[in-house]
Amino acid sequence: EAGVTQFPSHSVIEKGQTVTLRCDPISGHDNLYWYRRVMGKEIKFLLHFVKESKQDESGMPNNRFLAERTGGTYSTLKVQPAELEDSGVYFCASSQLPRAGDTQYFGPGTRLTVL
Amino acid sequence: AQSVAQPEDQVNVAEGNPLTVKCTYSVSGNPYLFWYVQYPNRGLQFLLKYITGDNLVKGSYGFEAEFNKSQTSFHLKKPSALVSDSALYFCAVRGHTSGTYKYIFGTGTRLKVLA
Repeated sequence: EAGVTQFPSHSVIEKGQTVTLRCDPISGHDNLYWYRRVMGKEIKFLLHFVKESKQDESGMPNNRFLAERTGGTYSTLKVQPAELEDSGVYFCASSQLPRAGDTQYFGPGTRLTVL
Repeated sequence: AQSVAQPEDQVNVAEGNPLTVKCTYSVSGNPYLFWYVQYPNRGLQFLLKYITGDNLVKGSYGFEAEFNKSQTSFHLKKPSALVSDSALYFCAVRGHTSGTYKYIFGTGTRLKVLA
C-alpha cells in the first residue's frame, strides 16, 4: 500500500511569490490533514478535510493560505503571497475514519524556504 | 487548552542501554496519545498509541510507552537502544472535543544513541 506522498519535497521562493504544495493521501482515506513545523518548534495543525469538505480550518494562519481538495482525493495548499515567516516544513497526513483514536499517517513533508 | 510538553530537547544514551523520552500532556477528559518518529529526510512514522486499556502500550521497533494518568505522562521507552534509533521523536495528544481530530504535538526530542 502506497503511503502519503507530497510534492515538491523542497521549494525555495522569494517573498511575495506564490507556491502550491500537493498532497496525495493513502487511497481510501477520507480524512486529510495539513500541519506545519516552523524551525525547532512544535508541529502545528492547519486544517482537516473530510472528503472534499473542510471539517476544521482553525489552524490556518491567515487568508494568504488556501487549501483545496477537489473531488475528495488529493489536496493542494497554496500560499499567496508568501512571507518570510511561512518558511517551514509542511506535513500532510491522512486517516481512514473520522474517529478520535484513529491513527494519522504522515507524508515526508515539503520544506518551504521563503527568501 | 490542550498541550503537550517534551521537556528534553535532546537525549543521549549509550547503545545497549535503556532509553526514555519524556512526554507530559494536558487535556480535558481522557486523552488519546501518540508517538511518532522522524528519521533524517523522512516523514513522521507512527510508533504507537494509547486509546484505552492497558497502561503499557507496545509499538514498532521494540518501543513501548507507559500511560500514567495521575502524572499525566506518556513516556516512550526501549529496553536496549540501537544506534539506528537516533532520530527526532514527537509526542502528540488528541482530545475528545466533538468534531475535532487534530493532533497537538510537542516540540520534539532528538535522541542520540552513541556507539
